[in-house]
Amino acid sequence: NAGVMQNPRHLVRRRGQEARLRCSPMKGHSHVYWYRQLPEEGLKFMVYLQKENIIDESGMPKERFSAEFPKEGPSILRIQQVVRGDSAAYFCASSPTPTGLAGVGSSTDTQYFGPGTRLTVL
Amino acid sequence: RKEVEQDPGPFNVPEGATVAFNCTYSNSASQSFFWYRQDCRKEPKLLMSVYSSGNEDGRFTAQLNRASQYISLLIRDSKLSDSATYLCVVNEGFQKLVFGTGTRLLVSP
Repeated sequence: NAGVMQNPRHLVRRRGQEARLRCSPMKGHSHVYWYRQLPEEGLKFMVYLQKENIIDESGMPKERFSAEFPKEGPSILRIQQVVRGDSAAYFCASSPTPTGLAGVGSSTDTQYFGPGTRLTVL
Repeated sequence: RKEVEQDPGPFNVPEGATVAFNCTYSNSASQSFFWYRQDCRKEPKLLMSVYSSGNEDGRFTAQLNRASQYISLLIRDSKLSDSATYLCVVNEGFQKLVFGTGTRLLVSP
């Protein structure tokens, strides 16, 4: 069972360009989460999606950032008109159920992370 | 106040030592708790869930004190391979994990 897949692993963009980050969840997982880790900081929640639905985008910057999880294909995190401050590691995670609802101690009550995409904005 | 607070360290210990990390969280409604491990420039990996009754997995023991909103991780007989950043993680019940900034552990020969 392949783990969470993310690509590209490294992405370099110039200021003003667009960045597209892809995430394929683990087989059987229909819940996807995106997190951002700035240099020397902890991971910060960005958005939670199920197939074709954005459930919680409370951590997404108001402008330039969007996310989708279509019926077919990977989840996409899109950053338009990138700026240097967008340089970070972007991690995707997936779970088979909404975490926090499966019950403490359940093997499904957690999220599994992909290897991340390291975005560098020049 | 940060939602999840950890001592950033680093904790420098020799092989074979016992080391303990602590973490506090601010949201009393938090529902589940975890320790993740993150190696340099890699993704976080689940180390163990944390239960009120305490739980042990080999050399690792985790404890949760809901009244004090405090979580701990104890590592016995430290190995060189335990060198990493340990992330205290809280699920506040809204399907998103809240991460501490991590405690860095360095185990030396």
